[in-house]
Amino acid sequence: KAGVTQTPRYLIKTRGQQVTLSCSPISGHRSVSWYQQTPGQGLQFLFEYFSETQRNKGNFPGRFSGRQFSNSRSEMNVSTLELGDSALYLCASSPGTVNPYEQYFGPGTRLTVT
Amino acid sequence: AQSVTQLGSHVSVSEGALVLLRCNYSSSVPPYLFWYVQYPNQGLQLLLKYTSAATLVKGINGFEAEFKKSETSFHLTKPSAHMSDAAEYFCAVTLYNQGGKLIFGQGTELSVKP
Repeated sequence: KAGVTQTPRYLIKTRGQQVTLSCSPISGHRSVSWYQQTPGQGLQFLFEYFSETQRNKGNFPGRFSGRQFSNSRSEMNVSTLELGDSALYLCASSPGTVNPYEQYFGPGTRLTVT
Repeated sequence: AQSVTQLGSHVSVSEGALVLLRCNYSSSVPPYLFWYVQYPNQGLQLLLKYTSAATLVKGINGFEAEFKKSETSFHLTKPSAHMSDAAEYFCAVTLYNQGGKLIFGQGTELSVKP
């Protein structure tokens, strides 16, 4: 089976712009979770989507949003970018129906905001 | 709310020596616990998980961890370190009703000296 893929792998944006990141889960997986990784804050949970519905949400401002499509692919959007949004954004997929949800991570998208 | 504390942001061992990475959790209900490894410029790879079936859990690459409820610990060990074990290791916790939401510790960077 192909693993979790994330596109693009690297991205450079300017403050104030918006960005959309994409995640394709492992075939058959219905849950996609997003995480932000920074040197200062570590790995932080953003949100989880399951069958096109947001099932869990972390403590991030409303500038961070996501969605999931019927084929389970997910996108994450960040509007009005700030310098502090520079991070590695990881997505993880799991079947989403059997506890505990064993999550499989993609390689991440490295976002740099200048 | 649950949380995870990893003691030691950096651990250095000699090749062939015991690896011990410490993780303590805080949770008001029985948790699910995980150890992940991250190599440079890559996503996270699951090493092992605790799901209450057995307190001693064996994972990939010779790693194992023991769940000790009385000490609220889930330390990761490997009898003999290999150069290829050099990476960053993350302990994570989730609860039964929180699906794809993992709470991570700050990570421990493992160095292996020849």
